Amino acid sequence: SAVISQKPSRDICQRGTSLTIQCQVDSQVTMMFWYRQQPGQSLTLIATANQGSEATYESGFVIDKFPISRPNLTFSTLTVSNMSPEDSSIYLCSVEAESQELSAYTDTQYFGPGTRLTVL
Amino acid sequence: ELKVEQNPLFLSMQEGKNYTIYCNYSTTSDRLYWYRQDPGKSLESLFVLLSNGAVKQEGRLMASLDTKARLSTLHITAAVHDLSATYFCAVGGNQFYFGTGTSLTVIP
Repeated sequence: SAVISQKPSRDICQRGTSLTIQCQVDSQVTMMFWYRQQPGQSLTLIATANQGSEATYESGFVIDKFPISRPNLTFSTLTVSNMSPEDSSIYLCSVEAESQELSAYTDTQYFGPGTRLTVL
Repeated sequence: ELKVEQNPLFLSMQEGKNYTIYCNYSTTSDRLYWYRQDPGKSLESLFVLLSNGAVKQEGRLMASLDTKARLSTLHITAAVHDLSATYFCAVGGNQFYFGTGTSLTVIP
């Protein structure tokens, strides 16, 4: 399993500013993921962050708007740049780690508590 | 792109009743996950289903997977209020595709 923390837990920001969200995991992981969850909606993958390489962005998300850093195997940041009210959402990071069920190990994704962002 | 659909989107049921949530996905996948999300909280992993015919149970929840039909079900038995939450299925390996979610309300 993996324990993930995020900072900040919530923030209210002005239009045009930027916010950097931090994600810390308690073990070394290869892949970290950033998701967005708009109110009442499902989760949408923004990008996958591997240590030592550029993040891979999903369709509709670009590096200039959502720059990501992955300086080591336990930490990542997501910046929401030049914010607008449409960016108001919950941002979640997740990691893939082993979980043990009975005697078998399987990979699953564990999620951080999320960052609730409101842009005015 | 893989599409994942859940139904129903909203479910209101009385305590003690049984119901099933369905998760359909559009292409083959070797892994199917179920998550629970309480209001204002993050996602909690419930089940990982890895093979055709896999069935897993935890308390009043039972999940199954039919890879040929590209269908997973989450069955709720004798619902209790504590099960009220939003349930998501997700499909994929390294990259997850999430279903639309089912908002479950159990009424006393």
